[in-house]
Amino acid sequence: EIVLTQSPATLSLSPGERATLSCRASQSVSSYLAWYQQKPGQAPRLLIYDVSNRATGIPARFSGSGSGTDFTLTISSLEPEDFAVYYCQQRYNWPLTFGGGTKVEIK
Amino acid sequence: EVQLVESGGGLVQPGGSLRLSCAASGFTFSSYWMHWVRQAPGKGLVWVSRIDGDGSSKNYADSVGGRFTISRDNAKNTLYLQMNSLRAEDTAVYYCARPHPYSSSLAGWWGQGTLVTVSS
Repeated sequence: EIVLTQSPATLSLSPGERATLSCRASQSVSSYLAWYQQKPGQAPRLLIYDVSNRATGIPARFSGSGSGTDFTLTISSLEPEDFAVYYCQQRYNWPLTFGGGTKVEIK
Repeated sequence: EVQLVESGGGLVQPGGSLRLSCAASGFTFSSYWMHWVRQAPGKGLVWVSRIDGDGSSKNYADSVGGRFTISRDNAKNTLYLQMNSLRAEDTAVYYCARPHPYSSSLAGWWGQGTLVTVSS
């Protein structure tokens, strides 16, 4: 099973600041890495797939980068609605796995 | 519009059984893999199981293999998860998910989830 480790666990930032979230895989997942956003009491929402492709309706302030085992989700300027938990997910092989999540909270 | 509505959750004793359902609408159900993903209270997401469009291919997480069975009824546009020999660690919100068009292994649409509580 591929283990995804996200860091930091919590990121405390102010609106307008840049957020940088990390996801590290226990083995290469090639470019098969996605990111999801989850707000309290809601189901997750797909943000980015295959490292850097934004899903429909996702604002351009969300971007992804990386390859192999190290990946980054960047939110260029935090909006109030961006404070949430973010999960990375690999689809390289089964079982599909998620990282433990990074909570982006208001400082 | 894609809609997924889970039902069947509730309180069950350890060792008991429960069947979850996910009613799908707004798309051609039989054309898509479908997934179950769970989330324990305050914890992260865990993929539980998936099934292909005609039900011939199924996969399970090791933690539920041999106890859970995924199935579907394409005539009723409904996905199921039969859960037997339930344990306290199975307590979670269970989501059904439909893949994103790009890949069957990306969860593009999610239901609202149904809570399963395993406790005596």
